[in-house]
Amino acid sequence: EVQLVESGGGLVKPGGSLRVSCAASGFTFNSYTMNWVRQPPGKGLEWVSSISSSGSYLYFADSVKGRFTISRDNAKNSLFLLMNNLTAEDTAVYFCARDSVAGPKGGFDFWGQGTLVTVSS
Amino acid sequence: IQLTQSPFSLSASVGDRVTITCRASQGISNYLAWYQQKPGKAPNLLIYSASTLQSGVPSRFSGSGSGTDFTLTISNLQPEDFATYYCQHLNSFPFAFGPGTKVDIK
Repeated sequence: EVQLVESGGGLVKPGGSLRVSCAASGFTFNSYTMNWVRQPPGKGLEWVSSISSSGSYLYFADSVKGRFTISRDNAKNSLFLLMNNLTAEDTAVYFCARDSVAGPKGGFDFWGQGTLVTVSS
Repeated sequence: IQLTQSPFSLSASVGDRVTITCRASQGISNYLAWYQQKPGKAPNLLIYSASTLQSGVPSRFSGSGSGTDFTLTISNLQPEDFATYYCQHLNSFPFAFGPGTKVDIK
């Protein structure tokens, strides 16, 4: 059974940093591009970042470029998002999601339950 | 590439046929996915490549379109279908989601 479990969310002050993690199981992690998607409270979904299966290719939304870093540890089946210089606009539930078995144009077929990041003084 | 959805919300009854539209600001071939999200839950992939039903998704869900205009249709709306629906393009990075369409009970 495919499982994605996020952790590391919490309360952080503006300008601070936080790293959220996603533990994957039930599939061959190193064969899939992985993604982060966020959702501010009561609002819609926003794609944040993607990382290729090997970790060689990284992609970021303009809203986080230069502040967020995505990485993965294929030996530990783990995905990470390091968030720096956080602002209130980064407050959201952060979901990790797997690329579909249908390929890179197939959407995201498995999602974690999300971890809440709150940026507030 | 930006996505717009219409309507923003709609009220429907069990058994109704519902259509949601997603429009892309430029052509994206058929690189479009649809998701369903219920409150407090992660999104669930319904359709990819504009019209391919994800495994395990009921056949009352269907998608169509290519280029810039796409539709999600739910025929014979069921109680468990009341949710918010999002489209997402996967044509090129940065990916984007539409703003969502909330389907609630009339």
